[in-house]
Amino acid sequence: AQSVTQLDSQVPVFEEAPVELRCNYSSSVSVYLFWYVQYPNQGLQLLLKYLSGSTLVKGINGFEAEFNKSQTSFHLRKPSVHISDTAEYFCAVIPMDTGRRALTFGSGTRLQVQP
Amino acid sequence: DTEVTQTPKHLVMGMTNKKSLKCEQHMGHRAMYWYKQKAKKPPELMFVYSYEKLSINESVPSRFSPECPNSSLLNLHLHALQPEDSALYLCASSQDRGSLAKNIQYFGAGTRLSVL
Repeated sequence: AQSVTQLDSQVPVFEEAPVELRCNYSSSVSVYLFWYVQYPNQGLQLLLKYLSGSTLVKGINGFEAEFNKSQTSFHLRKPSVHISDTAEYFCAVIPMDTGRRALTFGSGTRLQVQP
Repeated sequence: DTEVTQTPKHLVMGMTNKKSLKCEQHMGHRAMYWYKQKAKKPPELMFVYSYEKLSINESVPSRFSPECPNSSLLNLHLHALQPEDSALYLCASSQDRGSLAKNIQYFGAGTRLSVL
């Protein structure tokens, strides 16, 4: 079984400041990792994914994330946030070696960008 | 085109009503999913269809009945729901072919359901 922990339920930050949203996971098998964003009253949009290769992955809207296997982490970063980045961010995993194709989500982090 | 379309966007129903949620995608994806999301919580998987066959049912109560009439459509039939079933219902789809690496899930905007 897999589990995903997002330690910060809310992250307030000022516009143009850098931000890091933390994600740690636990799994007995290797996993693929994802970050999704959910804007108010909308569905989920894929920000970025780690499948293999370089541990630093770049996504849409200037976000990037770094996979650290030894620390089982996949933290999301952006060097300068905008008001429009205010949303809920979910980290998620899918196990590599099973037929189970369902995402396991973390509890989410609410990013609040203030002017 | 990575669009998953869900209708209706909002639905209010009484506990004795029967209603259906609809999900449609035209990306050629062969796996489709229903998730339930309560306020301020992450989505929780309900059902997975793979090649029009139900492959995962996460012990969902029988008042929720999924249906996959073809590879592009996914329905969720609702009957005798309870107020605690009020939530955002999200549909997703993925290729479900070849490498698992290609199973990126694309989500619709959801149907916000209120049960009175």
